[in-house]
Amino acid sequence: KNEVEQSPQNLTAQEGEFITINCSYSVGISALHWLQQHPGGGIVSLFMLSSGKKKHGRLIATINIQEKHSSLHITASHPRDSAVYICAVMEYGNKLVFGAGTILRVKS
Amino acid sequence: DTAVSQTPKYLVTQMGNDKSIKCEQNLGHDTMYWYKQDSKKFLKIMFSYNNKELIINETVPNRFSPKSPDKAHLNLHINSLELGDSAVYFCASSQPTGTNTEAFFGQGTRLTVV
Repeated sequence: KNEVEQSPQNLTAQEGEFITINCSYSVGISALHWLQQHPGGGIVSLFMLSSGKKKHGRLIATINIQEKHSSLHITASHPRDSAVYICAVMEYGNKLVFGAGTILRVKS
Repeated sequence: DTAVSQTPKYLVTQMGNDKSIKCEQNLGHDTMYWYKQDSKKFLKIMFSYNNKELIINETVPNRFSPKSPDKAHLNLHINSLELGDSAVYFCASSQPTGTNTEAFFGQGTRLTVV
């Protein structure tokens, strides 16, 4: 079992829909990252969280340290949001462990 | 200026060859990483260096040898390339500040071994 589990693995949404991607982890962490990987392959860091909630534009990320769970929300989704979203946890010792990713496709 | 840059972006080579991938970061970070993304798009850490010293070495064949000439560079040298080495390799850097450890990624190097 992977230390970082993401759900769903695949998600297709209609433009404008509210999207939630979930991440659960089983180890102690110093921070959690949400990453975005577009078809071109580059990885961009969207959020880094160690507690609470962060918002950037239409993206919201939350983390519950006690429950070892984080969610990434996209409001008013758009086709350009189509990408792979990856949850990664920073274990103590500076080791990033990745979830398998969620493939999001937003249709117009 | 690109924060973390890798070269080359694409690398096609024959089995048995030796090749290197270079990585440089201009962020002043102390920690650099190499990750491998397999055909199923799963990312896994290979190595981590902190201030030129190896701190994480996952179960990677010893044909893979990281080299850090200074804290801004972490190069990956691969000897005797095998078909299974085909993957996308990502370099990253981070700078722990208390509990905040932002990570920045290079654009990836797609290695194809034929």
